[in-house]
Amino acid sequence: QKEVEQNSGPLSVPEGAIASLNCTYSDRGSQSFFWYRQYSGKSPELIMSIYSNGDKEDGRFTAQLNKASQYVSLLIRDSQPSDSATYLCAVNPDTGNQFYFGTGTSLTVIP
Amino acid sequence: SAVISQKPSRDICQRGTSLTIQCQVDSQVTMMFWYRQQPGQSLTLIATANQGSEATYESGFVIDKFPISRPNLTFSTLTVSNMSPEDSSIYLCSVDGGRGSTDTQYFGPGTRLTVL
Repeated sequence: QKEVEQNSGPLSVPEGAIASLNCTYSDRGSQSFFWYRQYSGKSPELIMSIYSNGDKEDGRFTAQLNKASQYVSLLIRDSQPSDSATYLCAVNPDTGNQFYFGTGTSLTVIP
Repeated sequence: SAVISQKPSRDICQRGTSLTIQCQVDSQVTMMFWYRQQPGQSLTLIATANQGSEATYESGFVIDKFPISRPNLTFSTLTVSNMSPEDSSIYLCSVDGGRGSTDTQYFGPGTRLTVL
């Protein structure tokens, strides 16, 4: 069973703060990791992908991967109310394109 | 990324009927996927649709209930057969990222299905 676990939240942060979202996965052989943002009533939108240990930055978003600890996180700096959404962690264990999704973390940024 | 459309965007159906959902992509993709997302839940993969071969179904999903077609590299359909209220859900089509990023998935807007 390939599992992806996230804290369901809800996570609330004040506007301008850093939001930290965490994800752990069970398949040690996993190679590709993704963060999706899903607004209420909308479909998931890809915001970050990461493949190597360390940090990857894209604007206000930073993805962090630690394969030894089987842990991937997403940091959102200078959080804005428009960042309020559910964030889904997804893991691709191999080249078969099958994704495993976490249950998502609900984030609310308070103005 | 590819532009993905789904039809219908939403529907309300009677128990025992069937609904076919269409997924259209504006570019050729190798892999197309069908997911279900029940209220307040994460995404569950139903099946992977490959052009020119039978769809591959995940545990708990069968072809008789969810027949899938993939006639070409830009189009797929998912049929929800003999519906019951438990089939009420959002059904999402996704595609791989195409050349150079086949391990990425992009989602269509979804079909919101309500079964009475």
